[in-house]
Amino acid sequence: GENVEQHPSTLSVQEGDSAVIKCTYSDSASNYFPWYKQELGKGPQLIIDIRSNVGEKKDQRIAVTLNKTAKHFSLHITETQPEDSAVYFCAASKGGTYKYIFGTGTRLKVLA
Amino acid sequence: DVKVTQSSRYLVKRTGEKVFLECVQDMDHENMFWYRQDPGLGLRLIYFSYDVKMKEKGDIPEGYSVSREKKERFSLILESASTNQTSMYLCASRGILGNTIYFGEGSWLTVV
Repeated sequence: GENVEQHPSTLSVQEGDSAVIKCTYSDSASNYFPWYKQELGKGPQLIIDIRSNVGEKKDQRIAVTLNKTAKHFSLHITETQPEDSAVYFCAASKGGTYKYIFGTGTRLKVLA
Repeated sequence: DVKVTQSSRYLVKRTGEKVFLECVQDMDHENMFWYRQDPGLGLRLIYFSYDVKMKEKGDIPEGYSVSREKKERFSLILESASTNQTSMYLCASRGILGNTIYFGEGSWLTVV
């Protein structure tokens, strides 16, 4: 069936370093790829998303890249700060459906 | 800002009890979702509603039912709670023209 694999499951970086989280999807018809950040005790919040007609999108310290051929997409966080510590989820979806396939999450810890 | 409100954040219920989890959104979204979040399993869809009184089973509907009598409100019902339903439950909504789903803060349910 459809699935999204997310790696790594945990990631520790020093403050100021970059963090990269990778996801691979199985359904080649997927065309929408959001990333969510979930802080402790809270619901997931959308931080960035990308559609299949672009290869990269940036928003300040956060960027997402998409490789449709390889069916993978990645989240890049530069100049990490302690407040970036959270669980990050990727997801894949295709237009016209309600199905979002979520990755299993990456716990990012930024060490001060 | 979109607001999805889950009225009960923390509940403790006994095995066999009937449990209601309520969710309200304020953006006039047509679509609403109930997910279950468990460590290592990511987010799994329980039920989806694409409009008032309309519902679709998700990936794990067994032991759950839903009610959507008004557009802004989507309720998850556990007819007879069991210990394996101890989990974090997330409600979400989405407008019919958009891809982005917006999550509530979550409801932590413990069944003893």
